[in-house]
Amino acid sequence: DAGVTQSPTHLIKTRGQQVTLRCSPISGHKSVSWYQQVLGQGPQFIFQYYEKEERGRGNFPDRFSARQFPNYSSELNVNALLLGDSALYLCASSWDSYSYEQYFGPGTRLTVT
Amino acid sequence: KQEVTQIPAALSVPEGENLVLNCSFTDSAIYNLQWFRQDPGKGLTSLLLIQSSQREQTSGRLNASLDKSSGRSTLYIAASQPGDSATYLCASRGPGGGADGLTFGKGTHLIIQP
Repeated sequence: DAGVTQSPTHLIKTRGQQVTLRCSPISGHKSVSWYQQVLGQGPQFIFQYYEKEERGRGNFPDRFSARQFPNYSSELNVNALLLGDSALYLCASSWDSYSYEQYFGPGTRLTVT
Repeated sequence: KQEVTQIPAALSVPEGENLVLNCSFTDSAIYNLQWFRQDPGKGLTSLLLIQSSQREQTSGRLNASLDKSSGRSTLYIAASQPGDSATYLCASRGPGGGADGLTFGKGTHLIIQP
C-alpha cells in the first residue's frame, strides 16, 4: 500500500504570496494532521482533521487554514507568506484522531524569499 | 503546556554498542507517546507507539519504555549499526487526544561510526 503522499516536494515563494500544500493519507485513514518543522527543531502541530471536521488547532496565526475533502485528502493554505514560514511542512495520517500511530509523509520544503 | 525534552542532543558511538536515548515530558497526563526517526531532509518514520496504560513496546532491536509518573520514556537500541544513524524524535499526545496534536522534542542526532 502507498504511504502518505505530499505535493509538491519543494516550493519557492515570495513574501506576501499565498501557497497551497496537498496531502493524501494512507488508504482507509480518516484523520490528517499538519505540522511545521523549522530547521533544527521538532515538528509543531498546526491542524488536525477527522472525518472532514477540524478537531484540533495549534498556536498558529489565522493566515494558516486547512480543509479535508470527502476522499480524506487535505490541503494546507498559508496566506501573506513571511520569511519565518520557511520550513518543512509535514502531513500525517491515522485511523482515528488520537489513539493510533501517526504515519508521516515525506514533507513539502517551503522556502520564502 | 506540555514540554518535551530529549537528552542528549547528539550522540556518536562505535558500531555494535547498545545505547539509550532519553525523553522527558512535563505533564504526565499523556494519552500516548510515539518514537520516530528522521533522516536528513526527510519525513518521519514511526518506530514505536506506547499507550499510557503500557510500560514498554518492542520492535526488533528497539525497545521503548514509558514511566508516566516520572514523566520519562527511553528508547533502547541494541547492537547499533551505521544504518541507525538518524535523528530520533519522541512525541507525546495530550489527554485531549486529537485536539492536542503531538508535542515533539527537538530530537537526538545519532551517529553510528563504522
